[in-house]
Amino acid sequence: DTGVSQNPRHKITKRGQNVTFRCDPISEHNRLYWYRQTLGQGPEFLTYFQNEAQLEKSRLLSDRFSAERPKGSFSTLEIQRTEQGDSAMYLCASSLWDRGPFFGQGTRLTVV
Amino acid sequence: QQPVQSPQAVILREGEDAVINCSSSKALYSVHWYRQKHGEAPVFLMILLKGGEQKGHEKISASFNEKKQQSSLYLTASQLSYSGTYFCGTDETSGSRLTFGEGTQLTVNP
Repeated sequence: DTGVSQNPRHKITKRGQNVTFRCDPISEHNRLYWYRQTLGQGPEFLTYFQNEAQLEKSRLLSDRFSAERPKGSFSTLEIQRTEQGDSAMYLCASSLWDRGPFFGQGTRLTVV
Repeated sequence: QQPVQSPQAVILREGEDAVINCSSSKALYSVHWYRQKHGEAPVFLMILLKGGEQKGHEKISASFNEKKQQSSLYLTASQLSYSGTYFCGTDETSGSRLTFGEGTQLTVNP
């Protein structure tokens, strides 16, 4: 069991650029989640998949954010036209049904 | 609406006990507890499903009072390794989104 893997660990980008993050969940887990965390706050829900279906998306999530989970395996989170307010830690987590979820190490995004 | 955690911070000496509370204004399906150390990912501790069960993991246990929509995390005979920020995450349905509290910062000193 290698745990949830996220790449890259750090990303610095200029405002207006697009970025994409990858998440590889624990292999037998059917649910995959994306959260965002800023300093001093708890993780904030963005979206979640059950297998390849995206079942819920936060109303706070801008149209600039899109997530995919092709074939129910790894997932990608893309942010288009990044803004400084997008700077945060982006956490991926996975679970087998409702047991967990278990978080990856996160991708720290800095928009300059 | 996010759950309310209390206290916001607590400082202990090694071997002392602590209780961290998590309260929600909404009916809950489950409560999930995590510990996060600085610069690291949140680590899953335990899940409590509605039904008032109490669970334990070594010297860390928790309870869930579904009538009051409250959960408490009990840390007994604290160790230095218990230091970190503890978050409760609440789920109103079943296994979808978790809404996290603002966290309780626990510091255990020698």
